[in-house]
Amino acid sequence: EIVLTQSPATLSLSPGERATLSCRASQSIYSYLAWYQQRPGQAPRLLIYDASNRATGIPARFSGSGSGTDFTLTISSLEPEDFAVYYCQQRSNWLLTFGGGTKVEIK
Amino acid sequence: QLQLQESGPGLVKPSETLSLTCNVSGDSISSSTHYWGWIRQPPGKGLEWIGSIFYGGSTFDNPSLKGRVTISIDMSKNQFSLRLRSVTAADTAVYYCARLAYCSSSSCYFHHWGQGTLVTVSS
Repeated sequence: EIVLTQSPATLSLSPGERATLSCRASQSIYSYLAWYQQRPGQAPRLLIYDASNRATGIPARFSGSGSGTDFTLTISSLEPEDFAVYYCQQRSNWLLTFGGGTKVEIK
Repeated sequence: QLQLQESGPGLVKPSETLSLTCNVSGDSISSSTHYWGWIRQPPGKGLEWIGSIFYGGSTFDNPSLKGRVTISIDMSKNQFSLRLRSVTAADTAVYYCARLAYCSSSSCYFHHWGQGTLVTVSS
């Protein structure tokens, strides 16, 4: 099973600041990684797939990068609605796993 | 517009079977080439994939659930279902259904989600 480790667990930032979230895989997953945003009381929303492709309707301030075992989600300038929990996810041999999440909170 | 809606009992007794249905509107499961799946989230915790099904009937489930999972499709009702046997308090969670997208030989992601339904396991 491929384990995804997200860091940091919590990121305290102010609106307008840049957020950089990390996801590390226990073995190479090439570029097969997604990022999700989950606001309180809501279902997760797909932001990025295949490491760097924005899903439909996702603002350009969200970008993803990385390959192999190290991946990054960057939010270029935090909007109030971006304060949420973010998860990464991969699929290997039809075993899908999520990272533990990073909470982006208002400083 | 695609919409998914979970339904089922909100309370299940320990050792019994949890049964949920996901009603799909805005897409036909019988004509779709998508995968469909279930994910759960214990209160205050992260996401766990339960299992997925392809419209042709192939199913995949999380080995951590030790074979307790059955996922099926009812094309006549345009819905798919989850059965989780022998539940314990550890199965208490919000359960989401979803349609997967961008699937290839090595990738598959949850693109459209239902709103989720809380299922509590308690006597």
